[in-house]
Amino acid sequence: GAGVSQSPSNKVTEKGKDVELRCDPISGHTALYWYRQSLGQGLEFLIYFQGNSAPDKSGLPSDRFSAERTGGSVSTLTIQRTQQEDSAVYLCASSSSWANEQFFGPGTRLTVL
Amino acid sequence: AQSVTQLDSHVSVSEGTPVLLRCNYSSSYSPSLFWYVQHPNKGLQLLLKYTSAATLVKGINGFEAEFKKSETSFHLTKPSAHMSDAAEYFCVVSDRKGNTGFQKLVFGTGTRLLVSP
Repeated sequence: GAGVSQSPSNKVTEKGKDVELRCDPISGHTALYWYRQSLGQGLEFLIYFQGNSAPDKSGLPSDRFSAERTGGSVSTLTIQRTQQEDSAVYLCASSSSWANEQFFGPGTRLTVL
Repeated sequence: AQSVTQLDSHVSVSEGTPVLLRCNYSSSYSPSLFWYVQHPNKGLQLLLKYTSAATLVKGINGFEAEFKKSETSFHLTKPSAHMSDAAEYFCVVSDRKGNTGFQKLVFGTGTRLLVSP
């Protein structure tokens, strides 16, 4: 079946603009994760959704970052008033439950000019 | 909090020679450990995982890793490198919140494996 997909694959934006990044998890996967991969910080956890439970937002770096997951499937990560330090690859992963292997999407490369 | 340390940022080998990528972990309880591989412009792919069963774990593409509690290590090995193994490898530990909490993955800084002909 299809894996995790993310769109867009690349996004270039100007400082101060808002951006939305989309993640389509594997069908039937109840858990969804967002990670960020940047040169200075490596790979870091951002946020986690499990079913209809309240998300774990403990990894979000600032209140400019938010995410939602509609209908327990597609997720959108929103970054408001983007800054240059937001430039990174944003990775989405899903798993069939909280304990199982996480499958990663190809990522969205965000460049803030 | 759980953490992993990858001791080498780059490892260079010749095709056909053994591969050793080193990883040490820090965990306050019995950890779940993983190795992921990332090829250029590709997503992360799970190579293998350790979850307190057999200490020698076999993964895909001929890779294996051995969990050594006494050394807090989880080194990744392969007997014979192929050109296609050239990629970035991440050692990962799960930071599980209680028995029902989620499994946040904590990544090492990565080791870039270079394979020469």
